[in-house]
This record gives sequence, structure tokens and C-alpha cells, in this order.
Amino acid sequence: QVQLQESGPGLVKPSETLSLTCTVSGGPISTYYWSWIRQPPGKGLEWVGYGHDSGRTNSNPSLKSRVTISVDTSKNQVSLKLNFVTAADTAVYYCAGRQAGSTYFDYWGLGTLVSVSS
Amino acid sequence: QSALTQEASVSGTVGQKVTLSCTGNGSNIGSYAVGWYQQISHGSPKTVMSGISPPSGVPDRFSGSKSGYTASLTISGLQPEDEADYYCSTWDSRLNALLFGGGTKLTVL
Repeated sequence: QVQLQESGPGLVKPSETLSLTCTVSGGPISTYYWSWIRQPPGKGLEWVGYGHDSGRTNSNPSLKSRVTISVDTSKNQVSLKLNFVTAADTAVYYCAGRQAGSTYFDYWGLGTLVSVSS
Repeated sequence: QSALTQEASVSGTVGQKVTLSCTGNGSNIGSYAVGWYQQISHGSPKTVMSGISPPSGVPDRFSGSKSGYTASLTISGLQPEDEADYYCSTWDSRLNALLFGGGTKLTVL
């Protein structure tokens, strides 16, 4: 049974970089596309972007210039970096996995809350 | 405003059949399978429908369908534990992005 665990700082200062890690256990990190999805307090889900062990990545056009997603197969981890954060980036960040060619997620992490505040 | 449109709220009584809808266009729902996700009390989302097939472990009262640019999630025999927010999602080839609907709050009366 694949399990995902997000980790990282719960508080980030404005204009700094948000850095999160998703650790994948119970299954191979390869072949799956790993997405980051966020949910601001009281709001709906928003796709941030995805990464694959082939190096292929893509991100939400509204965030593209600020997002970096990478997959480290040696550590079974997926990382997210979001630059120049503002209060609008305050959200619960989820890691989720889908199979190649699929447009829906098979696995979800529990999520981690990141607040942007000075 | 989401490119995928869902009802803001739907309600039903125990045992009733309810249908949630998700409307898009030809570059998203018209071209790709739709996922449905259940979120109870702002916990982690859970996949309840993968295209028109439920993942293993999802009760068989959940079913999915799609016609044209509208996908639907039907719950036949509503249960109290089905009360949750439900989100639809799929890829959009024009926007080159994964989209989520705004979510439907399902209340079990």
C-alpha cells in the first residue's frame, strides 16, 4: 500500500522560498506522476504542478515562474519549491500520485499546512 | 471561477439517490477521464471515482458517468458518512493544466 507523507516548515516569511518534501513508501516512485495540490483555508483544491522521475515537469500557468518540482528516486522523495511567497500562498499542501496516462489520482498524502507570515 | 463547474451544495436524505455534476468543455471533460474526490471535514481528499470506475474499497453505491462535457457522480442509497465536500478534476489540453471544480458540499439530512 503506497503511502505519502509531506514534510517541511509550517511557517515561511513573505518573499522567501517555500520548500516541501513528499516521501513515498510502500511502492516504487518511478512510473508515477507526482503532483502537488494546495488548498487555502476555507477554499477549494488547486493544482500546483507535477514531476516525474524522467525529469518531466509541468506546473499551473498561474504559478509556473515560481514553481520547481523534482523527483529523487534514491530517496523516494518528491520536492516542491515555491519562490517569492505571499500570504496568498498560505494553504494545506498535498502530495498526490497518478499513473502515466491517467488524469486522476490514485494516492493522496495527509497534507501539511504552510502559513506565510512575517 | 473554476473552468469546471459544480453545484455549490446538494442535499439528500438517508437512502436517497443523489447526483453531483461537473461541467466543462471539449478541451477538458470532453477529452479526458474525470476523477472525483471526497473530502470529509477538511481532511485529506480520497479518490471515490477514477473515470467511471470506483477504486478498490469504495462502496458500490458510488458510480460515475460522463456525457458530452458533463461528468456525474451518483450515490445510490445515501449514507450519513457520505456527507462531505466532493471535487471533480481532469486535465485541460488548452490550458495545459490540471483543473479542479469548485467543489460540492453534500449534506445528508
